[in-house]
Amino acid sequence: TQLLEQSPQFLSIQEGENLTVYCNSSSVFSSLQWYRQEPGEGPVLLVTVVTGGEVKKLKRLTFQFGDARKDSSLHITAAQPGDTGLYLCAGAKGAQKLVFGQGTRLTINP
Amino acid sequence: GAVVSQHPSRVICKSGTSVKIECRSLDFQATTMFWYRQFPKQSLMLMATSNEGSKATYEQGVEKDKFLINHASLTLSTLTVTSAHPEDSSFYICSARGQEGYGYTFGSGTRLTVV
Repeated sequence: TQLLEQSPQFLSIQEGENLTVYCNSSSVFSSLQWYRQEPGEGPVLLVTVVTGGEVKKLKRLTFQFGDARKDSSLHITAAQPGDTGLYLCAGAKGAQKLVFGQGTRLTINP
Repeated sequence: GAVVSQHPSRVICKSGTSVKIECRSLDFQATTMFWYRQFPKQSLMLMATSNEGSKATYEQGVEKDKFLINHASLTLSTLTVTSAHPEDSSFYICSARGQEGYGYTFGSGTRLTVV
């Protein structure tokens, strides 16, 4: 059973379009993190959300943590080819281990 | 910022031999380190959690005698893949967490190929 359900797992869109990636769980997390991973490298942290309902923006990326701290979303506005990559959500419970969703492989076509 | 160094980045070994992967926190003390395995086009699967000075906690289905984890100091954890077989070929990634805050810093990964 996957603790974190991430969707979609694959997404291919045209440059300039908007997209949203979802991360859902039945569990409550103390924090939720979004990472981006390039082939052959470790994940790089994009953002950490801690408070229910929290919204954080990173340039064209908007991250939201659900009010109940069970889900999160990543919205990208006006996607660019440089946004192509594997996006991972990961949830933490207190000081415990970090578990990952299945990942979303995003391809932005020029 | 926090930096985790993982070495080697790539290793090829013969079937039946053992391989050691090192994970070092360079500028902070890592009380907890995590080891993940990642298959092509898939997400990271947690293998085990190690706390400095104590035995690692393995996830269900991970063979502790095959994947030996040592966390002897606050800056170093090692993963040894014993008697490696081709099915052990994978991308292994470590992560370290310091004493303060909730930050997890990842290494750059090790591509293991068993031939």
